[in-house]
Amino acid sequence: EMQVVESGGGVVQPGGSLRLSCAASGFTFDEYAIHWVRQAPGKGLEWVSIISGDGGTTYYADSVKGRFTISRDNRKNSLYLQMNSLRTEDTALYYCAKDLAGFGAFDIWGQGTMVTVSS
Amino acid sequence: EIVLTQSPGTLSLSPGERATLSCRASQSVSSTFLAWYQQKPGQAPRLLIYGASSRATGIPDRFSGSGSGTDFTLTISRLEPEDFAVYYCQQYGSSLYTFGQGTKLEIK
Repeated sequence: EMQVVESGGGVVQPGGSLRLSCAASGFTFDEYAIHWVRQAPGKGLEWVSIISGDGGTTYYADSVKGRFTISRDNRKNSLYLQMNSLRTEDTALYYCAKDLAGFGAFDIWGQGTMVTVSS
Repeated sequence: EIVLTQSPGTLSLSPGERATLSCRASQSVSSTFLAWYQQKPGQAPRLLIYGASSRATGIPDRFSGSGSGTDFTLTISRLEPEDFAVYYCQQYGSSLYTFGQGTKLEIK
């Protein structure tokens, strides 16, 4: 069964940093791009970032560009999101999602990890 | 950035009825890159439709997608109790991904 599991969320002060992780299983990890998608409490979905299967290509939403860094370790079947200079508006449930190759869609989602930015 | 606008914001229907959800894009979207998701409270989103009209694995055939260009539709032919949820459309273009604001499908 294809699965992704996020971890690393928590409470952090504005301006602080946090690193999220996503562990994948049940598929050939390095063959697929992986995304981070977030959802603020009671709000809709917002795409955050994508990394290619080999890790060589990354893209970011304007709202996080320059503050967040996506990376992956294909030896460990793991994805990461380094979040710096956090703002209160970054408070959200962060999902890791597998890319459906060729269609720009997200076919496998984790249950998310909650990030709260508050003083 | 392509903006997706979903309508209606809330749709109140009864089980057994037909649901029609709309997603309108601010500029043309390739049908290949238009998807629909279902999200129930406390759960992660689930992919329903990709490529505008292809059902994802395990999705019942009462769900169908259609449309092209700037206008796309998700249709649920006969509502089951488990279909009441929030539905999002999503597009990919120019290395960016955007979601609509969602349509809440509630029991009348």
